[in-house]
Amino acid sequence: ILNVEQSPQSLHVQEGDSTNFTCSFPSSNFYALHWYRWETAKSPEALFVMTLNGDEKKKGRISATLNTKEGYSYLYIKGSQPEDSATYLCAADSGGGADGLTFGKGTHLIIQP
Amino acid sequence: NAGVTQTPKFQVLKTGQSMTLQCAQDMNHNSMYWYRQDPGMGLRLIYYSASEGTTDKGEVPNGYNVSRLNKREFSLRLESAAPSQTSVYFCASSSYGGPGYEQYFGPGTRLTVT
Repeated sequence: ILNVEQSPQSLHVQEGDSTNFTCSFPSSNFYALHWYRWETAKSPEALFVMTLNGDEKKKGRISATLNTKEGYSYLYIKGSQPEDSATYLCAADSGGGADGLTFGKGTHLIIQP
Repeated sequence: NAGVTQTPKFQVLKTGQSMTLQCAQDMNHNSMYWYRQDPGMGLRLIYYSASEGTTDKGEVPNGYNVSRLNKREFSLRLESAAPSQTSVYFCASSSYGGPGYEQYFGPGTRLTVT
């Protein structure tokens, strides 16, 4: 069982500000790192899947980076909007994908107007 | 495309009762998963099926059984429900058992065991 840690646990950000949070995971037996966005009363939805050290992915105002050597990933949100309020989950895949993911507890982001 | 569907959405059981949670996907995915979500915990893997005909235990399999009925359907059974199984259950699927494939989640089943 992997140990996937996310910080901070929760975050309040003013609308328009940029923010970032962290996911750390064991660097050994690494296959992929997933980021999911989870809005209240909905299901988690995939944002990014990254596999290579140095990977950077971007979707609109949200981007993520990956460092597999030191075992961390950052998620960045530029110019936060109220609709960005959600819990952001990261998950590590050490088993080749078919074996399921080990999730962190999430970062709960609240954007204040 | 309905994606991943789960039934029921809500269920209340008494301790000792049994029930089966149903999950189906219409995306022709090979791999399917069952997770549970508890307050203060991340999603935890109960069982998974890497491909049709195979199932394996995840992190928290005790008290559960699964059946991969066909490529589309993956059910989770509680034989004798306990209050510790009160949780929100999510089914998920992915297109291939490889490292680069995201998982698609169903809407969840909220189960209360009294």
